[in-house]
Amino acid sequence: GDSVTQMEGPVTLSEEAFLTINCTYTATGYPSLFWYVQYPGEGLQLLLKATKADDKGSNKGFEATYRKETTSFHLEKGSVQVSDSAVYFCALLIGTGANNLFFGTGTRLTVIP
Amino acid sequence: GAVVSQHPSRVICKSGTSVKIECRSLDFQARTMFWYRQFPKQSLMLMATSNEGSKATYEQGVEKDKFLINHASLTLSTLTVTSAHPEDSSFYICSARAGEGQPQHFGDGTRLSIL
Repeated sequence: GDSVTQMEGPVTLSEEAFLTINCTYTATGYPSLFWYVQYPGEGLQLLLKATKADDKGSNKGFEATYRKETTSFHLEKGSVQVSDSAVYFCALLIGTGANNLFFGTGTRLTVIP
Repeated sequence: GAVVSQHPSRVICKSGTSVKIECRSLDFQARTMFWYRQFPKQSLMLMATSNEGSKATYEQGVEKDKFLINHASLTLSTLTVTSAHPEDSSFYICSARAGEGQPQHFGDGTRLSIL
């Protein structure tokens, strides 16, 4: 079935370090891919998305490229800040019918000054 | 961007009481709303999908008599946890979608603590 496998955390980085959070997916069709971010005590916010192969989503310095050949959508940021500390969820959306948004288990990122 | 308001953000109540959580789409009409539950350090688990004016569709293992969902208008869905017990303590998150193929917009969540 459709699923998302996400790098387990927690991840702790120093400020200005490079971030990579791995995400791979399994899907029967052609999914759209998303990264959501959840700040402490809050709901989810869409961080970025890509709807087809080779698309690159970007926002707030974060980037992820939809790689069909490796079924991956890894999240990267060149220089993290303390304010980036949050839980990051990779997700895929398949089709347009009833809910078909599948989430990964989330990766907790802590950035220390 | 689209805003979804969830209320209350936090509730603490005694075992055996019922708790109602509201989810409102503030600047768009949401034909479909979703209710998720999130356990500590885990991902979101879809509980049910509700379409305006019709009965909610519950995921396997979710008790529909325990988690009552009402989607009476295009801007409001409610989740009522009936006869709540400590094991119902969790973070509940709603999301709303204008229509098929449209993105989901999430509320800020409700932290429910049952004593």
